[in-house]
Amino acid sequence: DQQVKQNSPSLSVQEGRISILNCDYTNSMFDYFLWYKKYPAEGPTFLISISSIKDKNEDGRFTVFLNKSAKHLSLHIVPSQPGDSAVYFCAASNNRKLIWGLGTSLAVNP
Amino acid sequence: EAGVVQSPRYKIIEKKQPVAFWCNPISGHNTLYWYLQNLGQGPELLIRYENEEAVDDSQLPKDRFSAERLKGVDSTLKIQPAELGDSAVYLCASSFSGPNTEAFFGQGTRLTVV
Repeated sequence: DQQVKQNSPSLSVQEGRISILNCDYTNSMFDYFLWYKKYPAEGPTFLISISSIKDKNEDGRFTVFLNKSAKHLSLHIVPSQPGDSAVYFCAASNNRKLIWGLGTSLAVNP
Repeated sequence: EAGVVQSPRYKIIEKKQPVAFWCNPISGHNTLYWYLQNLGQGPELLIRYENEEAVDDSQLPKDRFSAERLKGVDSTLKIQPAELGDSAVYLCASSFSGPNTEAFFGQGTRLTVV
């Protein structure tokens, strides 16, 4: 039973446009959410996080939105760049235990 | 500042053989994690250490897997004996202690059991 779901296995976006990656979760006890980016043959790299007491967190081109009532979060990348092409993982934390989604592979086309 | 260092990067062994992975976390990080990642999946926690204490090893298959973190710094993860299904990427990560802290990952060790 997937507690953290990333329903889109892949996403293709044109350079300069917005990329929106979605994540849904089922456990209302999750209190911290993170996005990681992963290139092939490398470990995941932390991108951005959000606490459950907030609904938005922004860092440069990356913004994470949290809708607690819908148990949904999204990562927006604006503008998208070819170097953003990677697999993006959503992860949710409850009492220091991280539960990961399956990832969404983003391709940003020049 | 050096990141999380893992070795080896790649390992190919025959089934039933033992194998060990090594991890050196970021200096100052008290929390150390070992994850397993299969192709097309997210990382799955095997064990979490706070200093030298294993505080969450509920997902570690203890019949064949073992881990240690002597002196609360470096850590090793061992599989003995390895099975075909153990082929995966083994990731080590570290973080500061406390809630809501992000973990930093090493490059992983890709294990192939033949």
